[in-house]
Amino acid sequence: SAVISQKPSRDICQRGTSLTIQCQVDSQVTMMFWYRQQPGQSLTLIATANQGSEATYESGFVIDKFPISRPNLTFSTLTVSNMSPEDSSIYLCSVRTVYNSPLHFGNGTRLTVT
Amino acid sequence: AQKVTQAQTEISVVEKEDVTLDCVYETRDTTYYLFWYKQPPSGELVFLIRRNSFDEQNEISGRYSWNFQKSTSSFNFTITASQVVDSAVYFCALSEAGNYGQNFVFGPGTRLSVLP
Repeated sequence: SAVISQKPSRDICQRGTSLTIQCQVDSQVTMMFWYRQQPGQSLTLIATANQGSEATYESGFVIDKFPISRPNLTFSTLTVSNMSPEDSSIYLCSVRTVYNSPLHFGNGTRLTVT
Repeated sequence: AQKVTQAQTEISVVEKEDVTLDCVYETRDTTYYLFWYKQPPSGELVFLIRRNSFDEQNEISGRYSWNFQKSTSSFNFTITASQVVDSAVYFCALSEAGNYGQNFVFGPGTRLSVLP
């Protein structure tokens, strides 16, 4: 399976600032996604990162708050903008290498907003 | 619409006990995939198994076994002779065929604590 490197692994940020999370995959993948896991909760899909075009956002998530870039088939970034304490979560990059294969995840970014 | 239910929020067992984690799913598709993931305290999500809807054979991998029953829409996970390292949150997930990831639905998770 693909090796997914995500950084930073954790960060503590102040309210009102922004954080960009990077996701690097060791092979080209068609499907790349960003998930959020709020404390004690399950995983919620934020968006599908599309190579060369705008990301596809799920209901409740907007581009202004969570801008995503995907310049190529191995790299993506997620920015959490204008953060508030409610944004404190684990953010996970995931990939699917082939149709209907399992989702594989990076180690996640544990974000705390104070 | 897809849905995954894990009725057990938290389970505690003593080491060497067997434990079964329940998963019930809902889907209208006839072709779909079921998954189990493990999330240890360190936070990473580890893929454990994938089953497709046409394969109802039970599977065993070491101390882990999975029981898939379409008649009851269940995909239960049993750990035999549990160990402290099995302590984690376990997620069951469902993906309908044709949905690349947008409809990869996770259950709420079951937190398993294995006590020494």
